[in-house]
Amino acid sequence: GQQLNQSPQSMFIQEGEDVSMNCTSSSIFNTWLWYKQDPGEGPVLLIALYKAGELTSNGRLTAQFGITRKDSFLNISASIPSDVGIYFCAGSNLEYGNKLVFGAGTILRVKS
Amino acid sequence: SAVISQKPSRDICQRGTSLTIQCQVDSQVTMMFWYRQQPGQSLTLIATANQGSEATYESGFVIDKFPISRPNLTFSTLTVSNMSPEDSSIYLCSVGQGYEQYFGPGTRLTVT
Repeated sequence: GQQLNQSPQSMFIQEGEDVSMNCTSSSIFNTWLWYKQDPGEGPVLLIALYKAGELTSNGRLTAQFGITRKDSFLNISASIPSDVGIYFCAGSNLEYGNKLVFGAGTILRVKS
Repeated sequence: SAVISQKPSRDICQRGTSLTIQCQVDSQVTMMFWYRQQPGQSLTLIATANQGSEATYESGFVIDKFPISRPNLTFSTLTVSNMSPEDSSIYLCSVGQGYEQYFGPGTRLTVT
């Protein structure tokens, strides 16, 4: 089946630092989505990307849809304690009937 | 985005029993999905809940184990049947809006 390789698996950073995580695949995707999941909650959609090369921001978050359509990255600037959580990338394409394929997640821990 | 609620939020069940999880959306939606998230893992799609017809199951999931109902465009249920400890997971419903999906808060199931 289709797989998304998400890295890093976990991060432990200082408050105020910038964070970067990415997802890659051997398949082409039409849509890339980035979610954040807090403990005991469902994933919350942060950013949606629809075009190759697209760069989209949501507050301190910035995500890009890779030119090859096989990758995406998410940046968080000036991290704060509430950024703690698990970040998932997800992609969809016609081959998979536009259903979502999820990455394994990046666990973000912030040292205050 | 749609507001999604799930019941129960958590449960502890005996092996061999069944649990039905409800998902309610505050607006009519065409696409509803059920996911499983095993401890420390990413999300895995169980099935697409189709209104007025049988659900479409992903590889590795069968109707006898995970029967799904979708009586209208705002409600769906997932039953976890004949439970074993391996079924201990978070079960999440989601709704599709365009190419995006929005998730409910999840049901945390522990099977003893």
